[in-house]
Amino acid sequence: GAVVSQHPSWVICKSGTSVKIECRSLDFQATTMFWYRQFPKQSLMLMATSNEGSKATYEQGVEKDKFLINHASLTLSTLTVTSAHPEDSSFYICSARAAQPQHFGDGTRLSIL
Amino acid sequence: AQSVAQPEDQVNVAEGNPLTVKCTYSVSGNPYLFWYVQYPNRGLQFLLKYITGDNLVKGSYGFEAEFNKSQTSFHLKKPSALVSDSALYFCAVRDRGRDDKIIFGKGTRLHILP
Repeated sequence: GAVVSQHPSWVICKSGTSVKIECRSLDFQATTMFWYRQFPKQSLMLMATSNEGSKATYEQGVEKDKFLINHASLTLSTLTVTSAHPEDSSFYICSARAAQPQHFGDGTRLSIL
Repeated sequence: AQSVAQPEDQVNVAEGNPLTVKCTYSVSGNPYLFWYVQYPNRGLQFLLKYITGDNLVKGSYGFEAEFNKSQTSFHLKKPSALVSDSALYFCAVRDRGRDDKIIFGKGTRLHILP
């Protein structure tokens, strides 16, 4: 089946650091990739949608300068959390799709000290 | 706008008993529905989907879901629960607007009691 790889699984860093998370579709070409954020015991909140070669579309309330998304190829998208602060600590999950359904990575647990 | 509702935060079932996790939907047009499962500190795994055709959809790990148009429901079911089925389950619908993104319900935590 379709596999989405997300790296790293865990990140712990100091406040003010920028953190990059990678999302790769390993056995299919993803025309669209999605980035979600999940708070403890809550559902997934869609942050942005990216199509290869074009700018990401951000959901309302998500700061595009804070969460930089690059979708440079059909198999790779990156999310960079710039100048991270403790309130950015969360579980970030990427998803990739060629056709339905969407397939998900295993998530990245980000902890900002 | 498309949406799904999961009325139960948590469901407890004894091992070996049948389980049901409820989901209702609100869509314009024909619904495109999904069930996903999430284990601790993991991403989501696809279980099954309904697009069209038979109202009873069979999926992974012995799960199935019944699409009921009159009740606008898409409940997830399994005839005999396993302890390993304990996880967080999300019902979802495709938003036919921009990018066909998936909209998730709030999730239902399933506890299978040994």
